[in-house]
Amino acid sequence: ETGVTQTPRHLVMGMTNKKSLKCEQHLGHNAMYWYKQSAKKPLELMFVYSLEERVENNSVPSRFSPECPNSSHLFLHLHTLQPEDSALYLCASSQERGNSYEQYFGPGTRLTVT
Amino acid sequence: GNSVTQMEGPVTLSEEAFLTINCTYTATGYPSLFWYVQYPGEGLQLLLKATKADDKGSNKGFEATYRKETTSFHLEKGSVQVSDSAVYFCALNSGGYQKVTFGIGTKLQVIP
Repeated sequence: ETGVTQTPRHLVMGMTNKKSLKCEQHLGHNAMYWYKQSAKKPLELMFVYSLEERVENNSVPSRFSPECPNSSHLFLHLHTLQPEDSALYLCASSQERGNSYEQYFGPGTRLTVT
Repeated sequence: GNSVTQMEGPVTLSEEAFLTINCTYTATGYPSLFWYVQYPGEGLQLLLKATKADDKGSNKGFEATYRKETTSFHLEKGSVQVSDSAVYFCALNSGGYQKVTFGIGTKLQVIP
C-alpha cells in the first residue's frame, strides 16, 4: 500500500448506529487531518493531529469523535448522526517542510445517513 | 481571516482549448499557494504549488504564478484534454497545520 488509504469507501448508516472510519498513511508524515466535503460548500477542516496530539477541533459536534493511536493511523468514530452529516469524509496527512504544509489525501469515505 | 475565492463552474471547454481558472486570496503574512485536483471518485491530489511571490508552479502542462500585487494564483493550461475533466481547488497555507484554507472548487468539463 502506498500513500493514504481509507476504509470503507462507502458507508450507509442509520441515525442510531455506531460506526468508525479508518485512515492509514504510508508516507512517514507527522500530521493527519479529517475533512468533510459537501456539495457546493468549501472543504471543511474537522480535526488535526500533530505528533498524535489533537491540535485543532473546528467546533465539530460531539457525535464525531477522532482517535489517533499512532502517527500512521487515524479514526473517526461516528454515533447518532444526522442526515445532514451525509458527505464525503477525506483524510489527509502532511509533513512540515519549511513553511509549506502540502497535504496528501486519501480517496475518501462516502457516508450516507438514513 | 484567510479566504480563497474561485469560480464554482462548471467550466466547459472543447478539447485543445486554453484554460484559465481564476483564484484570488486574502491572507496575513506570506502564504504558500496550491492547486489541488480531484478526479471523480477520488481524493484531492496536489497539482502544483508556489511558496513565494513571483514563483511559478507547473505540472502536467498546468501553470500558476504567485502574484502578490494582485493576490492571485490563476491556473492555466494551453491545451486541455478530456482526461483533465475534474474539480480544481485553489488553497493557501499561511503557516501552521491548522491554517490551510481551500476554495470552493471549480468543476472543469472537457468535451471531445
